[in-house]
Amino acid sequence: DAKTTQPNSMESNEEEPVHLPCNHSTISGTDYIHWYRQLPSQGPEYVIHGLTSNVNNRMASLAIAEDRKSSTLILHRATLRDAAVYYCILIRNSGGSNYKLTFGKGTLLTVNP
Amino acid sequence: DAGVIQSPRHEVTEMGQEVTLRCKPISGHNSLFWYRQTMMRGLELLIYFNNNVPIDDSGMPEDRFSAKMPNASFSTLKIQPSEPRDSAVYFCASSLKVGTGGSEQYFGPGTRLTVT
Repeated sequence: DAKTTQPNSMESNEEEPVHLPCNHSTISGTDYIHWYRQLPSQGPEYVIHGLTSNVNNRMASLAIAEDRKSSTLILHRATLRDAAVYYCILIRNSGGSNYKLTFGKGTLLTVNP
Repeated sequence: DAGVIQSPRHEVTEMGQEVTLRCKPISGHNSLFWYRQTMMRGLELLIYFNNNVPIDDSGMPEDRFSAKMPNASFSTLKIQPSEPRDSAVYFCASSLKVGTGGSEQYFGPGTRLTVT
């Protein structure tokens, strides 16, 4: 399976935008890019996913590089509640295993007041 | 909707005892997942059910672990006998369907298991 690489940690200030990077240089054409986050003492929470085009929803935006070898999760205005571990996950839409979320270590985002 | 419900939230037991974790998925969801999270290994998928049928149990660590889904609104994960290395947070998740490119999984609050 293709792997993702994320920074171990990042810091941001409240009400400023945050750009969380993810590298996936071995991504295949059938891999979807998913982002989840895990707040302290809670279960993971779905954030957003995409294939080729940039995606927006109420929580965040996902910017996908033209060659798809990297992507960036964008939180437009960070709040203290956004402090969490953010996971970038590839899901392969072939071989019948498109249900499998393989969590890496993720990026620990700290938001300063 | 109440979301995915797990019980108990905390469980402390002695080595050798049987442990049963329970999960109620979101109504209408037809896929259910059990995960385990530890500091050493992170989040791991243990087993996946679709329409109450186990599809992939390759993540179940050993025969001491078993999972059932007798109906669409209830699942159990049982450990018998339990060992200290089973101490972890166990999450249950459900999704409406697993479509193209995966689907949004909704996680419960988890059960923190401590085996002494």
